[in-house]
Amino acid sequence: AQSVTQLGSHVSVSEGALVLLRCNYSSSVPPYLFWYVQYPNQGLQLLLKYTTGATLVKGINGFEAEFKKSETSFHLTKPSAHMSDAAEYFCAVAEAAGNKLTFGGGTRVLVKP
Amino acid sequence: DSGVTQTPKHLITATGQRVTLRCSPRSGDLSVYWYQQSLDQGLQFLIQYYNGEERAKGNILERFSAQQFPDLHSELNLSSLELGDSALYFCASSVALGQETQYFGPGTRLLVL
Repeated sequence: AQSVTQLGSHVSVSEGALVLLRCNYSSSVPPYLFWYVQYPNQGLQLLLKYTTGATLVKGINGFEAEFKKSETSFHLTKPSAHMSDAAEYFCAVAEAAGNKLTFGGGTRVLVKP
Repeated sequence: DSGVTQTPKHLITATGQRVTLRCSPRSGDLSVYWYQQSLDQGLQFLIQYYNGEERAKGNILERFSAQQFPDLHSELNLSSLELGDSALYFCASSVALGQETQYFGPGTRLLVL
């Protein structure tokens, strides 16, 4: 069975500082990995995904993530936080294309001015 | 805007009642997924339909059922509602089984009193 662990349910960063959100997964097969963002009272928006190929993937809004198979990790980063990055972020894994997503518990990001 | 629509946006009902949540996938998407987001369980996969047929089942209670109609819209029926069913219910869609990206609707917030 798949599982996803997000370290830290809340992260506070200063505007302009690095954003680092950690995600570790377990999967019996090479996974498809995703990061979604949820703004207040909205649905989930895809930030980026890893399927195959290059392990460093770039997404929207300046975010990127690196797939590290040896560490079973898919951490999300953004070099410089913006106030508009305040939201909840979810890491998810799927065993194959078209399969269900298994989500981590989410990390709420607060950006301080 | 993901192109996935869900109605109603909010629903308040009483214990023991039955409700129906509706989802219209993005134009051309054949696969529909239902997820439940609650404070204690997080984001959980409920059920998936593909082109009218049930494809996968997750942690869906027997009191819950779903279907996908010929026009590809889907309905999630929740019956004998309990306080613990209060949650945000998301629908997501994807083009086909081989497509890994799921696009999420804005959700239906259900409050059971």
